[in-house]
Amino acid sequence: ELKVEQNPLFLSMQEGKNYTIYCNYSTTSDRLYWYRQDPGKSLESLFVLLSNGAVKQEGRLMASLDTKARLSTLHITAAVHDLSATYFCAVELDNYGQNFVFGPGTRLSVLP
Amino acid sequence: EAGVTQFPSHSVIEKGQTVTLRCDPISGHDNLYWYRRVMGKEIKFLLHFVKESKQDESGMPNNRFLAERTGGTYSTLKVQPAELEDSGVYFCASSQVRSGLGGVEQFFGPGTRLTVL
Repeated sequence: ELKVEQNPLFLSMQEGKNYTIYCNYSTTSDRLYWYRQDPGKSLESLFVLLSNGAVKQEGRLMASLDTKARLSTLHITAAVHDLSATYFCAVELDNYGQNFVFGPGTRLSVLP
Repeated sequence: EAGVTQFPSHSVIEKGQTVTLRCDPISGHDNLYWYRRVMGKEIKFLLHFVKESKQDESGMPNNRFLAERTGGTYSTLKVQPAELEDSGVYFCASSQVRSGLGGVEQFFGPGTRLTVL
């Protein structure tokens, strides 16, 4: 059974600082997704990473994928309060059914 | 363009009762997914429709859960009879058909919070 872990689960950081959220998974997959969820809202797609070495950036967020290490990172640069949310990674199983396995989420709080 | 909508937003029922959740996907999206997040746990895949066909229902917990997508448009998820452990937030998502080897961008609804007392 595929397991997806995230580290840390809770992160409190000051504005202007940098930090990285890690997503590890236990079986082979070439497709990894990052989502953001604000309290009481739906999940919003951030990044779709489709191959080893893929790197995508949007604003202060940058995501990367190392399929050999089964590791994805979400790097936050110069955090601002608006980035406070819960971030989920999800791995797509290599089967026809498009079954997605989510990590537990990382709750990020950016403090002024 | 309207996003994925879900109804109701909240439902509180007693153990043994029946509840039906509804999901309206984005128009034109053939793929429709149901997920559940039990308090403090991960978001768990329940099942995946392609149009009206169940492509993968490996995540359905047991036969108290029944999902349908008649006509390939909206979907319903019925829980009958509901048990205490069914409490959680039920999310629906939709996506377009995958293009080649590309990824699948899912658009999520706001979820239905189900509380079974």
